[in-house]
Amino acid sequence: QVQLVQSGAEVKKPGASVKVSCKASGYIFTDYYMHWVRQAPGQGLEWMGWINPNTGGTNYAQSFQGRVTMTRDTSISTAYMELGSLRSDDTAVYYCARARFGSGTWVMDVWGKGTTVTVSS
Amino acid sequence: EIVLTQSPGTLSLSPGERATLSCRASQIVTSSFLAWYQQKPGQAPRLLIYGASIRATGIPDRFSGSGSGADFTLTISRLEPEDFAVYYCQQYGAFGPGTKVDFK
Repeated sequence: QVQLVQSGAEVKKPGASVKVSCKASGYIFTDYYMHWVRQAPGQGLEWMGWINPNTGGTNYAQSFQGRVTMTRDTSISTAYMELGSLRSDDTAVYYCARARFGSGTWVMDVWGKGTTVTVSS
Repeated sequence: EIVLTQSPGTLSLSPGERATLSCRASQIVTSSFLAWYQQKPGQAPRLLIYGASIRATGIPDRFSGSGSGADFTLTISRLEPEDFAVYYCQQYGAFGPGTKVDFK
């Protein structure tokens, strides 16, 4: 079945970087965008950006420009999201979610279970 | 930049009742890209509706979406116990703040 399996929880200090992985299975990895969405404790959903696994092209939300890098390794069907210069308000659950190309670009139909990132000194 | 507003913030209802959730955009948006998600505590969001009115795979027909322009609605015709959750609308990279449907 289609699955997105994310890496485990992370605890980081302010100013550090974190890299979260998302391994896809059950479908052709390069046929779908991979979005990253985060959710701070008790808050709503915040879109961070997407990567096109086929080309490596990215589209980042303005609020994360310069701090986020999304990459992929097609040989292992895995997408990565790296967030740098971490602050305490980056403490959140980070989700990956796939969306098909074309009219479905923004339709996130399968989600990972989330990776908790805690930023604390 | 599109801003989505959802109302009400919380909807207190009983099983069997009808739920009507609203999503309003700050400008006219493309219906094709309006989606609704359900999220239960401790779980990832789940896609319910896309293209404003198309149910995602496996979504029961008690869920329906409608609307166009800047105003969209998610309706749950008869609430089941498993429907009590938070619902988010989404257009492109913008999510609404969510509507919580809880037990009256």
